[in-house]
Amino acid sequence: EAGVAQSPRYKIIEKRQSVAFWCNPISGHATLYWYQQILGQGPKLLIQFQNNGVVDDSQLPKDRFSAERLKGVDSTLKIQPAKLEDSAVYLCASSLGGLADSSYNEQFFGPGTRLTVL
Amino acid sequence: KNEVEQSPQNLTAQEGEFITINCSYSVGISALHWLQQHPGGGIVSLFMLSSGKKKHGRLIATINIQEKHSSLHITASHPRDSAVYICAVRGWVKIIFGKGTRLHILP
Repeated sequence: EAGVAQSPRYKIIEKRQSVAFWCNPISGHATLYWYQQILGQGPKLLIQFQNNGVVDDSQLPKDRFSAERLKGVDSTLKIQPAKLEDSAVYLCASSLGGLADSSYNEQFFGPGTRLTVL
Repeated sequence: KNEVEQSPQNLTAQEGEFITINCSYSVGISALHWLQQHPGGGIVSLFMLSSGKKKHGRLIATINIQEKHSSLHITASHPRDSAVYICAVRGWVKIIFGKGTRLHILP
């Protein structure tokens, strides 16, 4: 079974530039998560999708971050414009079900995209 | 105070030692995850539990719902166990991660 795919693996940009990350979850997984992990800290949930709908985006800085999952499969996370404090690893994860279905909510993580903002 | 607290933050031990990592939380949860993150950044889910105890090989995870506490144990530790171990609790609305415990096993 293929795992969660993410690209690019690494990205270096200057502040005020834009950047986009792509995630392809495990086939059949309804729920997709984007996390931001700053060095030395645990992951922080940015947004959770159930199919193509947003379940939770309470911690997404909506003035500069956006995410979509138009067809309920792949997802993109965009930062526009980037700030220095956005330097982090951006992790994508997927699970069969969502929070309400505890039997199927084990998350599988992608390798992450390491973003450096100069 | 963080909703999920892990201890210790850092742990260095000799190969073969019995390792315990603790996680305390202050919110109501439906499940608790233990995750392993290697230096390259990849995260692997070790356990998902909502009660009692689970065991996979040399790893054991326990949870006490009344005390809002979970422990991850590693028996006969090995240098390849060196990683960051992250506790994450799944509440009714969101998932909250601890900051992780950095484990270093010396040969």
